[in-house]
Amino acid sequence: EPEVTQTPSHQVTQMGQEVILRCVPISNHLYFYWYRQILGQKVEFLVSFYNNEISEKSEIFDDQFSVERPDGSNFTLKIRSTKLEDSAMYFCASTGGRYSPLHFGNGTRLTVT
Amino acid sequence: ELKVEQNPLFLSMQEGKNYTIYCNYSTTSDRLYWYRQDPGKSLESLFVLLSNGAVKQEGRLMASLDTKARLSTLHITAAVHDLSATYFCAVDDSNSGYALNFGKGTSLLVT
Repeated sequence: EPEVTQTPSHQVTQMGQEVILRCVPISNHLYFYWYRQILGQKVEFLVSFYNNEISEKSEIFDDQFSVERPDGSNFTLKIRSTKLEDSAMYFCASTGGRYSPLHFGNGTRLTVT
Repeated sequence: ELKVEQNPLFLSMQEGKNYTIYCNYSTTSDRLYWYRQDPGKSLESLFVLLSNGAVKQEGRLMASLDTKARLSTLHITAAVHDLSATYFCAVDDSNSGYALNFGKGTSLLVT
């Protein structure tokens, strides 16, 4: 069964550094998302992406965050200057249509020290 | 702002027993999802509920949706240990178009 794949599985970075989290959505999907989950807490929406542009973003997704789909397969989340509070599990998700379930990747655990 | 509330947040139940998890949401929506998450793992889609009165069943789990009451339930029948996980409901904020709002999750332990 097709999967959403994310790399790396774990990223450790120092505060103030830039990180790029990578995702390969399921190939025929059209809608892409980033969510995050701080340890033991609920899953929070960051951003949705459709037709090569951001559809919606949450208050969490400030100027430090950006997304790209550079080559038609990868979907990346960049955090320009990481903060301690960015430490979380970041999940990429994709779906083929608005009424289909989101398929989530296995996540990237980001640790900011 | 769409609010999604689940209860209970923690549930310990014996094998063989039945129980229901509740998901209330605050504004109109036409999509509700249930997901399962095992510790340290990703989110696995269980059910997609798209209309008032929708009922879906898979094994020992059954989900239903009442859009008028803004309520979904996830019923567990004759629980087994393998069902131990965290269960999330998520609701589409129809005004937003694409974002899902998740509840805090219900941590289920079957002993």
